Amino acid sequence: AQSVTQPDIHITVSEGASLELRCNYSYGATPYLFWYVQSPGQGLQLLLKYFSGDTLVQGIKGFEAEFKRSQSSFNLRKPSVHWSDAAEYFCAVGARGGSQGNLIFGKGTKLSVKP
Amino acid sequence: DVKVTQSSRYLVKRTGEKVFLECVQDMDHENMFWYRQDPGLGLRLIYFSYDVKMKEKGDIPEGYSVSREKKERFSLILESASTNQTSMYLCASLTQGGFSYEQYFGPGTRLTVT
Repeated sequence: AQSVTQPDIHITVSEGASLELRCNYSYGATPYLFWYVQSPGQGLQLLLKYFSGDTLVQGIKGFEAEFKRSQSSFNLRKPSVHWSDAAEYFCAVGARGGSQGNLIFGKGTKLSVKP
Repeated sequence: DVKVTQSSRYLVKRTGEKVFLECVQDMDHENMFWYRQDPGLGLRLIYFSYDVKMKEKGDIPEGYSVSREKKERFSLILESASTNQTSMYLCASLTQGGFSYEQYFGPGTRLTVT
């Protein structure tokens, strides 16, 4: 069965520091991979997605993620964090070939940013 | 831009009441989803629909039902609300066309059952 693990429940970084949020997935083949962000009290917004091709994916707000097949990982990175990045981040996987577009979400990582 | 709207941002209901949560999308998407979000549990799929009048159970359908009479509208129904259904409810939609597979989310409804 598909599953997504985000090992870090809560991370605190200083403003201007680099950030890496971890995501590991379990799936029999190469899945579709997504990172979403949720600001307090809001819905989810897509940051970036990986379907195929270049394993380094660029997203909005200066985020990027790298798909590593050998490690079943899709970690999210940002070189310099801004206070407005404080939010909860969700990694998700979807099955290729299905038409229904169902996603499996990780439990999320809450990011706090210190001034 | 795709817009997914939910009828209420905040809702307070009493135990035993019948509760309707409405979701509307304006992009002619075929697929629509209802999730429940609880701290530490992430998003859990309650029901989804891939066409009008079609529905499929997700991971936690117990205590919920859904209705999709029109393509743009997907309703979540709590037949008899209970306190353990206090949660954030998120609606999403998706087009089957192309290879986007991007789900677009509404702002959420925070439901409190007292």
